[in-house]
Amino acid sequence: DIQMTQSPSSVSASVGDRVTITCRASQGISSWLAWYQQKPGKAPKLLIYAASSLQSGVPSRFSGSGSGTDFTLTISSLQPEDFATYYCQQANSFLTFGQGTKVEIK
Amino acid sequence: EVQLVESGGGLVQPGGSLRLSCAASGFTFSSYEMNWVRQAPGKGLEWVSYISSSGSTIYYADSVKGRFTISRDNAKNSLYLQMNSLRAEDTAVYYCARVGPWRCLDYWGQGTLVTVSS
Repeated sequence: DIQMTQSPSSVSASVGDRVTITCRASQGISSWLAWYQQKPGKAPKLLIYAASSLQSGVPSRFSGSGSGTDFTLTISSLQPEDFATYYCQQANSFLTFGQGTKVEIK
Repeated sequence: EVQLVESGGGLVQPGGSLRLSCAASGFTFSSYEMNWVRQAPGKGLEWVSYISSSGSTIYYADSVKGRFTISRDNAKNSLYLQMNSLRAEDTAVYYCARVGPWRCLDYWGQGTLVTVSS
């Protein structure tokens, strides 16, 4: 099974900050990686697929990069509505999610 | 507008059964692969099961294999999850989700809560 490890588990940041979240796969997954945002009590929302493709309707301050085993989600300028938990997900072999990264208000 | 609406959750005793449904609308359901994903209270996301567009290919997570059965009725635009021999650790919100490009999950339902407790 492919394991996904996100870091950090949580990050405190201010509006306007640049935030970077990392996801590492236990084996190479090419670009079979997606990122989701989840707010309390809500379903996850797709942000990025194929490691770096922005889902329609998602603000351009969100970007993804990486391939193989190391991936990054970057929020270029944090907005109040971005405080949430973020998950990576590999799709190379079945589906596996990272443990999540909570972005909190500093 | 794509919509996925789950139903069928509730409180069930350990060892009991429950059948979840997911009603799809706003897209050609028969053309899309689907998944069930769950989230235990306060925990992360866990993939549960996958079904191909025709229903001919099915996969399960090891944690539910032999106890859960995924199915679909393309004529009724519906996805199902039959859950048997339920355990306390199956307590979670269950989401149905559509498979998009590069096997991402591009649309999710609002979720239905399953609580396994005596």
